[in-house]
Amino acid sequence: DAGVTQSPTHLIKTRGQQVTLRCSPKSGHDTVSWYQQALGQGPQFIFQYYEEEERQRGNFPDRFSGHQFPNYSSELNVNALLLGDSALYLCASSPGPRAEAFFGQGTRLTVV
Amino acid sequence: GESVGLHLPTLSVQEGDNSIINCAYSNSASDYFIWYKQESGKGPQFIIDIRSNMDKRQGQRVTVLLNKTVKHLSLQIAATQPGDSAVYFCAENIGTGFQKLVFGTGTRLLVSP
Repeated sequence: DAGVTQSPTHLIKTRGQQVTLRCSPKSGHDTVSWYQQALGQGPQFIFQYYEEEERQRGNFPDRFSGHQFPNYSSELNVNALLLGDSALYLCASSPGPRAEAFFGQGTRLTVV
Repeated sequence: GESVGLHLPTLSVQEGDNSIINCAYSNSASDYFIWYKQESGKGPQFIIDIRSNMDKRQGQRVTVLLNKTVKHLSLQIAATQPGDSAVYFCAENIGTGFQKLVFGTGTRLLVSP
């Protein structure tokens, strides 16, 4: 049984560009949350998706948006990239919006 | 916020010792707490959780203690092994109805053989 899988594992983008990160939840999980982890810091909550809707949102600008598909997979989109968006982006899935969250390996985004 | 910068607190122990990692949380209304282990280049790995109606929970070699009076969590690891070396984060759920985790200051655990 595959755990949470994220793609790509690494990505380099230029300032001003747009990026899409993808997440497939663990089998049986219907809820996906996204976190940003800057180097040397703890993960920070971006948003959570359940039943294809954004349910909770952290303190991130509208440049950060997402989507959840009927098969529960999810995308994170970031527009107008800034150097400060460089981070490890983590996806976590859970069998319900208040259940234990399992994290993927993350996507390392570097903005140059 | 909870960010700590590049210099994480570090706990250095010898293999076989017991380790205690502490965490202060911020929201007295938080109802669910989790400890995660994060190895270099990997995502956080669930270790153990505890709900606010409990003050202690035990797992395999790990125990979590919750003191709601002073908003403090601790993670005890028995007979620490080199494979336990990692950064440990506590997280509290501040969401209502849906889970929204806030991660605390990480602690780097270094286990010497």
